[in-house]
Amino acid sequence: AQTVTQSQPEMSVQEAETVTLSCTYDTSESDYYLFWYKQPPSRQMILVIRQEAYKQQNATENRFSVNFQKAAKSFSLKISDSQLGDAAMYFCAYRSAQGAQKLVFGQGTRLTINP
Amino acid sequence: EPEATQTPSHQVTQMGQEVILRCVPISNHLYFYWYRQILGQKVEFLVSFYNNEISEKSEIFDDQFSVERPDGSNFTLKIRSTKLEDSAMYFCASNLLDSPYGYTFGSGTRLTVV
Repeated sequence: AQTVTQSQPEMSVQEAETVTLSCTYDTSESDYYLFWYKQPPSRQMILVIRQEAYKQQNATENRFSVNFQKAAKSFSLKISDSQLGDAAMYFCAYRSAQGAQKLVFGQGTRLTINP
Repeated sequence: EPEATQTPSHQVTQMGQEVILRCVPISNHLYFYWYRQILGQKVEFLVSFYNNEISEKSEIFDDQFSVERPDGSNFTLKIRSTKLEDSAMYFCASNLLDSPYGYTFGSGTRLTVV
Protein backbone atom coordinates (compact mmCIF):
# COMPACT_ATOMS: atom_id res chain seq x y z
CA ALA A 1 0.00 0.00 0.00
CA GLN A 2 1.12 3.52 -0.70
CA THR A 3 2.07 5.83 2.15
CA VAL A 4 2.70 9.56 2.28
CA THR A 5 4.81 11.20 4.97
CA GLN A 6 5.03 14.86 5.89
CA SER A 7 7.76 15.17 8.49
CA GLN A 8 7.09 18.80 9.44
CA PRO A 9 3.98 19.12 11.64
CA GLU A 10 4.42 22.90 11.75
CA MET A 11 6.31 25.52 9.78
CA SER A 12 6.43 29.28 10.00
CA VAL A 13 7.72 31.95 7.65
CA GLN A 14 7.91 35.71 7.52
CA GLU A 15 5.57 37.42 5.15
CA ALA A 16 7.14 37.86 1.68
CA GLU A 17 9.72 35.15 2.38
CA THR A 18 9.97 31.71 0.77
CA VAL A 19 9.12 28.46 2.53
CA THR A 20 9.43 24.82 1.49
CA LEU A 21 7.18 22.06 2.78
CA SER A 22 8.49 18.50 2.59
CA CYS A 23 6.71 15.34 1.47
CA THR A 24 7.95 11.85 0.80
CA TYR A 25 5.97 8.88 -0.38
CA ASP A 26 6.37 5.17 -0.83
CA THR A 27 5.05 3.26 -3.81
CA SER A 28 6.01 0.44 -6.14
CA GLU A 29 4.06 1.97 -9.00
CA SER A 30 5.66 3.91 -11.83
CA ASP A 31 2.63 5.90 -12.94
CA TYR A 32 0.85 8.10 -10.45
CA TYR A 33 -0.10 11.65 -9.57
CA LEU A 34 0.91 13.85 -6.67
CA PHE A 35 -0.96 16.79 -5.22
CA TRP A 36 -0.73 19.50 -2.64
CA TYR A 37 -3.97 20.58 -0.99
CA LYS A 38 -4.50 23.62 1.20
CA GLN A 39 -6.95 23.55 4.08
CA PRO A 40 -7.63 27.00 5.59
CA PRO A 41 -9.48 27.44 8.89
CA SER A 42 -12.77 27.02 7.00
CA ARG A 43 -11.58 23.40 6.54
CA GLN A 44 -12.36 23.39 2.85
CA MET A 45 -9.92 21.32 0.76
CA ILE A 46 -8.39 23.44 -2.01
CA LEU A 47 -6.14 22.00 -4.71
CA VAL A 48 -2.91 23.99 -4.89
CA ILE A 49 -0.83 22.14 -7.43
CA ARG A 50 -0.54 18.75 -9.13
CA GLN A 51 2.24 16.74 -10.74
CA GLU A 52 2.08 13.79 -13.09
CA ALA A 53 4.84 11.29 -12.32
CA TYR A 54 5.70 10.78 -15.99
CA LYS A 55 6.54 14.45 -16.39
CA GLN A 56 10.08 15.45 -15.55
CA GLN A 57 9.30 19.14 -15.48
CA ASN A 58 8.30 20.46 -12.09
CA ALA A 59 4.82 21.95 -11.90
CA THR A 60 4.35 25.63 -11.10
CA GLU A 61 1.25 27.67 -10.30
CA ASN A 62 2.03 31.34 -9.77
CA ARG A 63 3.84 31.56 -6.41
CA PHE A 64 3.63 27.81 -5.84
CA SER A 65 6.08 25.33 -7.30
CA VAL A 66 7.17 21.79 -6.57
CA ASN A 67 10.46 19.95 -6.53
CA PHE A 68 9.60 16.46 -7.74
CA GLN A 69 12.37 13.90 -7.31
CA LYS A 70 10.93 10.62 -8.59
CA ALA A 71 13.91 8.42 -7.74
CA ALA A 72 14.00 9.79 -4.21
CA LYS A 73 10.17 9.69 -3.95
CA SER A 74 10.16 13.26 -2.77
CA PHE A 75 7.62 15.98 -3.60
CA SER A 76 8.22 19.28 -1.83
CA LEU A 77 6.15 22.44 -2.16
CA LYS A 78 7.80 25.85 -2.38
CA ILE A 79 5.76 28.94 -1.64
CA SER A 80 7.42 32.16 -2.78
CA ASP A 81 6.55 35.65 -1.56
CA SER A 82 4.45 34.21 1.28
CA GLN A 83 1.21 36.04 2.01
CA LEU A 84 -0.97 36.08 5.10
CA GLY A 85 -3.64 34.23 3.15
CA ASP A 86 -1.28 31.30 2.69
CA ALA A 87 -1.66 30.39 6.36
CA ALA A 88 -3.32 26.97 6.43
CA MET A 89 -2.79 23.24 6.78
CA TYR A 90 -1.10 21.80 3.72
CA PHE A 91 -1.59 18.18 2.76
CA CYS A 92 0.47 16.19 0.31
CA ALA A 93 -1.47 13.45 -1.48
CA TYR A 94 -0.79 10.52 -3.78
CA ARG A 95 -3.07 8.97 -6.34
CA SER A 96 -2.41 5.90 -8.44
CA ALA A 97 -2.96 6.22 -12.17
CA GLN A 98 -4.74 2.85 -12.09
CA GLY A 99 -7.76 1.54 -10.23
CA ALA A 100 -10.29 3.49 -8.22
CA GLN A 101 -8.02 6.47 -7.86
CA LYS A 102 -8.39 7.15 -4.17
CA LEU A 103 -6.18 9.81 -2.64
CA VAL A 104 -3.71 8.87 0.08
CA PHE A 105 -2.90 11.86 2.28
CA GLY A 106 0.02 12.77 4.47
CA GLN A 107 -0.44 13.98 8.02
CA GLY A 108 -0.33 17.63 7.06
CA THR A 109 1.89 20.62 7.81
CA ARG A 110 0.46 23.67 9.57
CA LEU A 111 1.94 26.79 7.98
CA THR A 112 1.96 30.06 9.90
CA ILE A 113 2.78 33.36 8.22
CA ASN A 114 4.34 35.98 10.49
CA PRO A 115 3.60 39.57 9.51
CA GLU B 1 -13.34 26.18 -10.01
CA PRO B 2 -16.76 24.80 -9.04
CA GLU B 3 -17.05 22.56 -6.02
CA ALA B 4 -19.41 19.87 -4.91
CA THR B 5 -22.22 21.05 -2.65
CA GLN B 6 -22.60 19.37 0.73
CA THR B 7 -25.49 19.61 3.14
CA PRO B 8 -25.79 20.19 6.00
CA SER B 9 -22.64 22.14 6.83
CA HIS B 10 -22.90 21.10 10.47
CA GLN B 11 -24.98 18.36 12.06
CA VAL B 12 -25.26 17.43 15.69
CA THR B 13 -26.75 14.04 16.47
CA GLN B 14 -27.19 11.80 19.46
CA MET B 15 -25.18 8.62 19.73
CA GLY B 16 -27.05 5.72 18.19
CA GLN B 17 -29.01 7.86 15.75
CA GLU B 18 -28.86 7.51 11.98
CA VAL B 19 -27.49 10.37 9.90
CA ILE B 20 -27.45 10.99 6.18
CA LEU B 21 -24.90 13.32 4.70
CA ARG B 22 -25.68 14.69 1.28
CA CYS B 23 -23.52 15.79 -1.62
CA VAL B 24 -24.27 17.12 -5.08
CA PRO B 25 -21.13 16.46 -7.15
CA ILE B 26 -20.03 18.27 -10.29
CA SER B 27 -22.51 17.29 -12.99
CA ASN B 28 -20.17 15.64 -15.52
CA HIS B 29 -18.05 13.78 -12.98
CA LEU B 30 -18.15 10.00 -12.90
CA TYR B 31 -16.18 8.90 -9.83
CA PHE B 32 -17.44 9.82 -6.37
CA TYR B 33 -15.77 9.56 -3.00
CA TRP B 34 -16.27 10.11 0.69
CA TYR B 35 -13.44 11.06 2.99
CA ARG B 36 -13.39 11.93 6.66
CA GLN B 37 -11.09 14.01 8.81
CA ILE B 38 -11.13 13.65 12.56
CA LEU B 39 -10.22 16.99 14.11
CA GLY B 40 -6.48 17.62 13.94
CA GLN B 41 -5.77 14.47 11.98
CA LYS B 42 -5.19 13.58 8.38
CA VAL B 43 -7.82 13.06 5.73
CA GLU B 44 -8.83 9.41 5.40
CA PHE B 45 -10.43 7.62 2.47
CA LEU B 46 -13.76 5.95 3.18
CA VAL B 47 -15.24 4.78 -0.11
CA SER B 48 -15.25 5.29 -3.85
CA PHE B 49 -18.31 4.86 -6.04
CA TYR B 50 -18.52 4.40 -9.78
CA ASN B 51 -21.25 3.25 -12.11
CA ASN B 52 -23.71 2.96 -9.23
CA GLU B 53 -21.61 0.62 -7.15
CA ILE B 54 -18.81 0.73 -4.63
CA SER B 55 -15.45 0.33 -6.36
CA GLU B 56 -13.27 0.43 -3.26
CA LYS B 57 -13.73 0.89 0.47
CA SER B 58 -11.42 1.25 3.42
CA GLU B 59 -11.39 -0.63 6.71
CA ILE B 60 -13.18 2.32 8.28
CA PHE B 61 -16.17 1.78 6.00
CA ASP B 62 -17.82 -1.03 7.94
CA ASP B 63 -21.42 -2.24 8.02
CA GLN B 64 -22.50 0.95 9.77
CA PHE B 65 -21.83 2.92 6.60
CA SER B 66 -23.58 2.88 3.25
CA VAL B 67 -23.58 5.05 0.15
CA GLU B 68 -25.95 5.54 -2.69
CA ARG B 69 -26.73 7.83 -5.57
CA PRO B 70 -30.51 7.62 -5.49
CA ASP B 71 -31.49 10.05 -8.21
CA GLY B 72 -28.43 10.48 -10.42
CA SER B 73 -27.40 13.75 -8.82
CA ASN B 74 -27.27 13.40 -5.03
CA PHE B 75 -24.58 11.21 -3.50
CA THR B 76 -25.28 10.25 0.10
CA LEU B 77 -23.37 8.73 2.99
CA LYS B 78 -25.47 7.07 5.67
CA ILE B 79 -24.23 6.15 9.11
CA ARG B 80 -26.75 3.79 10.66
CA SER B 81 -25.98 4.05 14.36
CA THR B 82 -23.57 6.84 15.11
CA LYS B 83 -20.80 6.50 17.67
CA LEU B 84 -18.88 9.24 19.45
CA GLU B 85 -15.83 8.41 17.33
CA ASP B 86 -17.77 9.19 14.15
CA SER B 87 -17.45 12.88 15.03
CA ALA B 88 -15.41 14.35 12.16
CA MET B 89 -15.51 16.44 9.02
CA TYR B 90 -16.88 14.45 6.11
CA PHE B 91 -15.92 15.47 2.60
CA CYS B 92 -17.40 14.26 -0.61
CA ALA B 93 -15.31 14.51 -3.76
CA SER B 94 -15.60 13.69 -7.41
CA ASN B 95 -13.54 13.59 -10.58
CA LEU B 96 -13.67 12.64 -14.21
CA LEU B 97 -12.76 9.11 -15.15
CA ASP B 98 -9.03 8.80 -15.76
CA SER B 99 -8.58 12.47 -15.17
CA PRO B 100 -5.02 13.42 -14.27
CA TYR B 101 -6.36 16.16 -12.12
CA GLY B 102 -7.11 16.21 -8.46
CA TYR B 103 -10.55 15.86 -7.12
CA THR B 104 -13.11 18.55 -6.65
CA PHE B 105 -13.94 18.45 -2.96
CA GLY B 106 -17.14 19.59 -1.35
CA SER B 107 -17.10 22.15 1.43
CA GLY B 108 -17.56 19.44 4.05
CA THR B 109 -20.08 18.48 6.72
CA ARG B 110 -19.02 18.70 10.32
CA LEU B 111 -20.67 15.84 12.21
CA THR B 112 -20.78 16.03 15.98
CA VAL B 113 -22.04 12.99 17.87
CA VAL B 114 -23.04 13.67 21.47
